[in-house]
Amino acid sequence: DGGITQSPKYLFRKEGQNVTLSCEQNLNHDAMYWYRQDPGQGLRLIYYSQIVNDFQKGDIAEGYSVSREKKESFPLTVTSAQKNPTAFYLCASSISLKGTDTQYFGPGTRLTVL
Amino acid sequence: AQSVTQLGSHVSVSEGALVLLRCNYSSSVPPYLFWYVQYPNQGLQLLLKYTSAATLVKGINGFEAEFKKSETSFHLTKPSAHMSDAAEYFCAVTREAGTALIFGKGTTLSVSS
Repeated sequence: DGGITQSPKYLFRKEGQNVTLSCEQNLNHDAMYWYRQDPGQGLRLIYYSQIVNDFQKGDIAEGYSVSREKKESFPLTVTSAQKNPTAFYLCASSISLKGTDTQYFGPGTRLTVL
Repeated sequence: AQSVTQLGSHVSVSEGALVLLRCNYSSSVPPYLFWYVQYPNQGLQLLLKYTSAATLVKGINGFEAEFKKSETSFHLTKPSAHMSDAAEYFCAVTREAGTALIFGKGTTLSVSS
């Protein structure tokens, strides 16, 4: 069964802690993305990656970091530098970065800072 | 720069009524446009996309959208609403460089019996 998995579904973090959100895909897609969703804000792009060992900042990259060591995996670390990390985080992938390619989304991780 | 505006953050219809969700875009290049649906606490699912072929695009679950260049619009419609259509809907446009999507703020559709 092909798709995108994100874990955990819910994550709680204390202020000052770094946390890592997992994203794995078995669709053999080259491109992967991280979005942040806040109520009434739509989705905003954090980072994206076109290929292994390469990634680019999106619109709101400050306080986040990523890695792309394997084609299937694109973990996101929310660092203590992120001022307001409580949000719903969505990972997506597509065959390539071509504008016509459909992005497929994972089920999301809801992060809450205590 | 590309942008998307969804008119109406909340739309309410009765079951069986027409659904119309509005999306206007701004783009300096011919746009590729997408509609996604999101059910509570879930990821996004593609409803349909426009990639410069036919201007009337049919999607899943009976939805369709028409690309109108003169009006810079890509409104989503469904002739008859069903209770299961209640969800949040997002319109998106591809960025100029063809990378990630730019999303609208979303429209929540409520369907009453």
